[in-house]
Amino acid sequence: QKEVEQDPGPLSVPEGAIVSLNCTYSNSAFQYFMWYRQYSRKGPELLMYTYSSGNKEDGRFTAQVDKSSKYISLFIRDSQPSDSATYLCAIFNSGGYQKVTFGTGTKLQVIP
Amino acid sequence: AAGVIQSPRHLIKEKRETATLKCYPIPRHDTVYWYQQGPGQDPQFLISFYEKMQSDKGSIPDRFSAQQFSDYHSELNMSSLELGDSALYFCASSSQGVNSPLHFGNGTRLTVT
Repeated sequence: QKEVEQDPGPLSVPEGAIVSLNCTYSNSAFQYFMWYRQYSRKGPELLMYTYSSGNKEDGRFTAQVDKSSKYISLFIRDSQPSDSATYLCAIFNSGGYQKVTFGTGTKLQVIP
Repeated sequence: AAGVIQSPRHLIKEKRETATLKCYPIPRHDTVYWYQQGPGQDPQFLISFYEKMQSDKGSIPDRFSAQQFSDYHSELNMSSLELGDSALYFCASSSQGVNSPLHFGNGTRLTVT
């Protein structure tokens, strides 16, 4: 079992829909959580970074962390065709040398 | 804002040749990570450097080596290239002291023929 599990999709939604992307993790030592967006043939682009349970909002994006359930989510409101990409969750421990563990990524397609 | 710079963007090599990939981290970032990403796969961690010392090692083949220089840029050297080495190679940087997130470059696409 991978340390971080993510549904690979693909996920197809109509423009304007609310998108929910999710990851679960098994290592309770993980404390820092990131969401990346990756367009084809491009590097992962950091969308959200959080280290506490609860919600963090940035524009149309909301990151949610539930450490008790080891579950993280990314919500995209009013989804746009330009949001079509692969979304990767990434998690790491605190202190020392960071070792980042990635989910496998969810491919999202927003249909106009 | 300055981002992570990788060069070259594309590289075509033949089997058994050598390749060198370069990474210039975001200014004041002291940690560099190298990842390999095959088609449809998540990034696989190869190796990382903190303050010019190797800090962690992942699934990096013995044919590969890397180092971080005094100006914090890093180079990934790949020898005896194999067809299976064809992939996107990403470099990421962060600042260790504040548990900052990783910022990625746009990668080098290596094709081995």
